[in-house]
This record gives sequence, structure tokens and C-alpha cells, in this order.
Amino acid sequence: EVQLVESGGGLVQPGRSLKLSCAASGFTFSNYYMAWVRQAPKKGLEWVATISTSGSRTYYPDSVKGRFTISRDNAKSSLYLQMNSLKSEDTATYYCARRDYTSFAYWGQGTLVTVSS
Amino acid sequence: DIVMTQGALPNPVPSGESASITCQSSKSLLHSNGKTYLNWYLQRPGQSPQLLIYWMSTRASGVSDRFSGSGSGTDFTLKISSVEAEDVGVYYCQQFLEYPRTFGGGTKLELK
Repeated sequence: EVQLVESGGGLVQPGRSLKLSCAASGFTFSNYYMAWVRQAPKKGLEWVATISTSGSRTYYPDSVKGRFTISRDNAKSSLYLQMNSLKSEDTATYYCARRDYTSFAYWGQGTLVTVSS
Repeated sequence: DIVMTQGALPNPVPSGESASITCQSSKSLLHSNGKTYLNWYLQRPGQSPQLLIYWMSTRASGVSDRFSGSGSGTDFTLKISSVEAEDVGVYYCQQFLEYPRTFGGGTKLELK
């Protein structure tokens, strides 16, 4: 069974940093592109980052480019999201997702990040 | 960026009736390989999103055949036949043709 378990969320002040983790199991992690998708409270879904199988290619929307860094450790079957210079508008539940061909086929339960002073 | 625009449902939908959710993209999602890169997801209350449909009309594993996807390059419809209680939630369309991956704003389905 595919499982994605996020952790690392919490309350952080504006301008500070936070690193999220996603532990994957039930599949060969190194064979899949992975992604982060977020959802602000009572709002819709926003794609945040994608990483290739080896980690050599990464993709971001303009809203987080230069502030967020996605990475992975295939030996540990883990995905990460380093978030720097956090803003109040980054407040959201962050989901880890597995990319299957051209969709996000599996999602974790999410971890809440609150950016507030 | 490709903009995804979703229509609203005339909520609430009577149980057992059908419901159709529309989605429009600002650019054709038809890939050169002949597949249309449009996905549908359902987010039930308090849960993570789940994939329902990919390539515009292919049901994901384990998804009920009451769900069907159709459309053209820019106009899409998710049809739910015989709506049930477990179908309640917010439906999102998403394009996977280009970066940034973009979602529609969501369409809420409520049951009568």
C-alpha cells in the first residue's frame, strides 16, 4: 500500500525558515517524480514544487521560486521542502504527492504550516 | 500560465440524480501524443484530494464507474451519475500539460 506521511509543519514567524519532510513507503520511491501541493485555509489547491527521480531537475511556480527548495533522499525514501523567507500567504496545509505519468495519483494527509507573528 | 476555470453546481443535488461539473482551460490541453492532459480530483470533507480521472476520461484505479470524464481540448465535463453521499466534497480539475501545474478553483457538491 502506498503511504505518504508528511511532518515538520507548525507555527513560524514571517521571514523565518521551516523544513517539511515526507516519508514514503509501499513503492519504489526512486522510480517516481514527487511533488508538493498546498492548500491555504478554506481555499483551493496550489502546486508548489516537483522533483525528478534523481533530484537533478526541479520545478517551481513563481510564487515560491527562490524561496522554496524541493529535495529528496532516495536511500531514505524521503522527500523534503525547505521553505525560507516565509510569508503570511504561505500559510497552508502542505501535501506530498506522487506523480504518476501526468497526474498526482497519491497524496499524503498533509501538514499544516502557519506563518504568523 | 494556463488558467483553469470551473463552473458551479446547482446545489444541493438530490440523491440518485446525476451531476455535471464543467472546467475550461485557457489553452488546449491536447498533447502531441493524442492524449489530453486534464485531471479531476475529489477532496472529501476533512480529507486529502484523491485522483478520479486522468487523460480527461480515464478513471483512476478503484474509482466508481459512476464517474466519467469527457471534453474537447479546452472544455471539459465530469459527470457523476446517481449521486451518493460519498460523492460530497469539492471537485478540482487540473492541467498537466505545462508548468506551472494549475488547478481550477474547485466545485462544491452538496447532497439533498
